[in-house]
Amino acid sequence: EIHLVESGGGLVQPGGSLRLSCAASGFTFSNYALVWVRQAPGKGLEWLSGISGSGETTFYADSVKGRFTISKDNSKNTLYLQMNNLRADDTAVYYCAKDSRTTVTEAWRWSDPWGQGTLVTVSS
Amino acid sequence: DIQMTQSPSSLSASVGDTVTITCRASQTVYMYLNWYRQKPGKAPTVLIYVASNLKSGVPSRFSGSGSGTDFTLTITSLQPEDFGTYFCQQTYTPPWTFGQGTTVEI
Repeated sequence: EIHLVESGGGLVQPGGSLRLSCAASGFTFSNYALVWVRQAPGKGLEWLSGISGSGETTFYADSVKGRFTISKDNSKNTLYLQMNNLRADDTAVYYCAKDSRTTVTEAWRWSDPWGQGTLVTVSS
Repeated sequence: DIQMTQSPSSLSASVGDTVTITCRASQTVYMYLNWYRQKPGKAPTVLIYVASNLKSGVPSRFSGSGSGTDFTLTITSLQPEDFGTYFCQQTYTPPWTFGQGTTVEI
């Protein structure tokens, strides 16, 4: 059974940094792309970033480009999201999800399963 | 970025009803449209992928259709466990944007 467990969330001041982790099990980690998606309180889903199975190719939403960095360590079966220069509107539950493909270039894809999420609160 | 617009934003229906949710893309996404359901306090799960393919284990009362810019999720014979918020997502081109969601109340 596939499991994804996020960690690293918490309270951070505006302008601060945080690194989220997503520990994966139950599948060959290097064979699948992964994504980060967030959900602000009471709001919808916002796709943030995706990374190929090899870790060589990444994409970002404009809202986080230049501030957030996605990476993965295939030796540790762990996905990361380094978040810098955090703002109040970054407050959200952050989910990682396994993609159905290895690369991030094909359009035929979906995200499943997802982790349980980790809450990031940006406030002074 | 491709904008995804769902309608309605919310609906209330009864057990046994047929429910239809629509999703419109700001430009063509061909067939690359997924549907997810999220229950309160839980992570989303995929129901339909690539417009009309039912994820294994998802009841056959769920179906998806459409292509280009207009897509539909249909739930026939609505069941009590079908409550939640439904999201569409395009994967034609990154960022793989979501619709704003449709909340289904039973």
